[in-house]
Amino acid sequence: DIVMTHSPDSLAVSLGERATINCKSSQSVFYSSNNKNYLAWYQQKPGQPPKLLIYWASTRESGVPDRFSGSGSGTDFTLTISSLQAEDVAVYYCQQYFSIPFIFGGGTKVEIK
Amino acid sequence: EVHLLESGGGLVQPGGSLRLSCAASGFTFSSYAMNWVRQAPGKGLEWVSGFSDSDGTTYYADSVKGRFTISRDNSGNTLYLQMNSLRAEDTAIYYCAKLVGTSSFGPIDYWGQGTLVTVSS
Repeated sequence: DIVMTHSPDSLAVSLGERATINCKSSQSVFYSSNNKNYLAWYQQKPGQPPKLLIYWASTRESGVPDRFSGSGSGTDFTLTISSLQAEDVAVYYCQQYFSIPFIFGGGTKVEIK
Repeated sequence: EVHLLESGGGLVQPGGSLRLSCAASGFTFSSYAMNWVRQAPGKGLEWVSGFSDSDGTTYYADSVKGRFTISRDNSGNTLYLQMNSLRAEDTAIYYCAKLVGTSSFGPIDYWGQGTLVTVSS
């Protein structure tokens, strides 16, 4: 199984500042045949289901604010919130969909400092 | 608008069975792969099972393989999860999830609100 590891487990960022979340996979999730990284990022607020933010490692889902961006390739990925807003307080999860089982990372909790 | 409504959760004794349902609307259900994902209380997300529309292949996490069965009724726009031999560690909110395409090898773009399964004596 591909293990997905988040860092940090939690972080507190001031409003308007940058938040950076890292996700590392134990094996590459890059598929050379289509040049895609099989990696998604989700946001989950308390009491709500997750919401898709980013897929193929860097493609923003429709309707997601452009302060959210994804980067990385192979085994190392980053979700960046360029200017943290109050409504961004949530737990963020990465997920690989390269191979079964489609493991989620343990999540990073983002709070306001 | 895509809508996924889970039902069938509840309290069940260890060793018991439950069948979860997910009523889908707002999209052509037969054209998309579907997953079940669960979340134990206060914990992270765990992928449970998937059903590819492209070839009808089903997939399971090792933790549920042999005990859970995913199925779908395309004419009724409903996804199911039959859960047998339930254990305390199966206690979780179970989410029905739609994928972006026909293949299971893709991201989840819509989630239901979830149904709580509690396994306890």
